[in-house]
Amino acid sequence: DAKTTQPPSMDCAEGRAANLPCNHSTISGNEYVYWYRQIHSQGPQYIIHGLKNNETNEMASLIITEDRKSSTLILPHATLRDTAVYYCIVRVALFGNEKLTFGTGTRLTIIP
Amino acid sequence: NAGVTQTPKFQVLKTGQSMTLQCAQDMNHEYMSWYRQDPGMGLRLIHYSVGAGITDQGEVPNGYNVSRSTTEDFPLRLLSAAPSQTSVYFCASSYSTDRDTEAFFGQGTRLTVV
Repeated sequence: DAKTTQPPSMDCAEGRAANLPCNHSTISGNEYVYWYRQIHSQGPQYIIHGLKNNETNEMASLIITEDRKSSTLILPHATLRDTAVYYCIVRVALFGNEKLTFGTGTRLTIIP
Repeated sequence: NAGVTQTPKFQVLKTGQSMTLQCAQDMNHEYMSWYRQDPGMGLRLIHYSVGAGITDQGEVPNGYNVSRSTTEDFPLRLLSAAPSQTSVYFCASSYSTDRDTEAFFGQGTRLTVV
């Protein structure tokens, strides 16, 4: 699986959009971009994923650049409950989720 | 539908003791995995299974054994606990198809070896 690079920490004001970047310059054509988050040492929670088109669900939006070498997770209206560590993971589309490679992620702090 | 259930939530062991961390899922997922997370670090894969009777090693398998006799259960055994195995352990499960699906994680077992 391709490696990812994320900033170690970010702050965001409550109510504003939180934009979390991820670099995956060695991504292959058959690899998806996944985002998970971990709130206060709980088990990681799935947020969103995409292959090459932008995606949106009830939690977040995922913007993938045209060359697929980077992506941005957007939390549109951040709340205090969004304070967590966010992991960007790249994995091959044809395989399952049994072997996820977690980096150290981005620690997002939402400031009141 | 309870999802992924891990027991116990907390455990203290003495060096050299053995124990089994339990993981059960009720979603009929074929794929299951065990990870450990040390302070300030991301999760690292210990062992995984792609179906009943099939297991394989991950990144950090030494000191741990697994078996998968049923689809629902995937226990992790510590053979002879060492202080280096003090960590938080997470179990995960997911579908086995090639669909772009996500993994579901349990709430973790916090293990201290003294």
